[in-house]
Amino acid sequence: SQQGEEDPQALSIQEGENATMNCSYKTSINNLQWYRQNSGRGLVHLILIRSNEREKHSGRLRVTLDTSKKSSSLLITASRAADTASYFCATEGAGSYQLTFGKGTKLSVIP
Amino acid sequence: GAVVSQHPSRVICKSGTSVKIECRSLDFQATTMFWYRQFPKQSLMLMATSNEGSKATYEQGVEKDKFLINHASLTLSTLTVTSAHPEDSSFYICSARDPRQGKFTEAFFGQGTRLTVV
Repeated sequence: SQQGEEDPQALSIQEGENATMNCSYKTSINNLQWYRQNSGRGLVHLILIRSNEREKHSGRLRVTLDTSKKSSSLLITASRAADTASYFCATEGAGSYQLTFGKGTKLSVIP
Repeated sequence: GAVVSQHPSRVICKSGTSVKIECRSLDFQATTMFWYRQFPKQSLMLMATSNEGSKATYEQGVEKDKFLINHASLTLSTLTVTSAHPEDSSFYICSARDPRQGKFTEAFFGQGTRLTVV
């Protein structure tokens, strides 16, 4: 299985601080994606990083990918209370059209 | 971005009855849709891949007679939980990719359906 494993499972920070979440996976990938899920809702795509990329930015989000360590990190800078949600990484293999999700990190940003 | 709409958002049914959940791609055609199940505070587990005009592909351990999937058009896939039991209570989510964006791109998710079987 190439299911990702996020850590930490839960993270609580003050508004304005940075939040870092990590994801590890087991097999080779075509890309890794990060999604956000508000409680009881569907998932929203945040960012996609391909296997030949090392870093990607989107607004306050910064994603890194280390294929040698089979790991990725998601950094949210200057966090806001509205960032409170669960964050999942998902991997997609070269020969697959499916996404395999990690267990997620529950982020709480305290105003 | 593309929109995937899922209905209903919540459903409560009696044990032994069947429940149908719809997943629609609103502004694109999806030959493939995916159905996931999510237990409280856990990750998404892929149940099946829905293929337009052909049989769905089920993941290991998912009962195809229990979870009937129909993908009769390029914009609609349905998941029917047959003879539902309390252990089927869960959060079900569908997703699809917009083929116009090419392969290996982001997935668009429905809002999810909270099923409670009493």
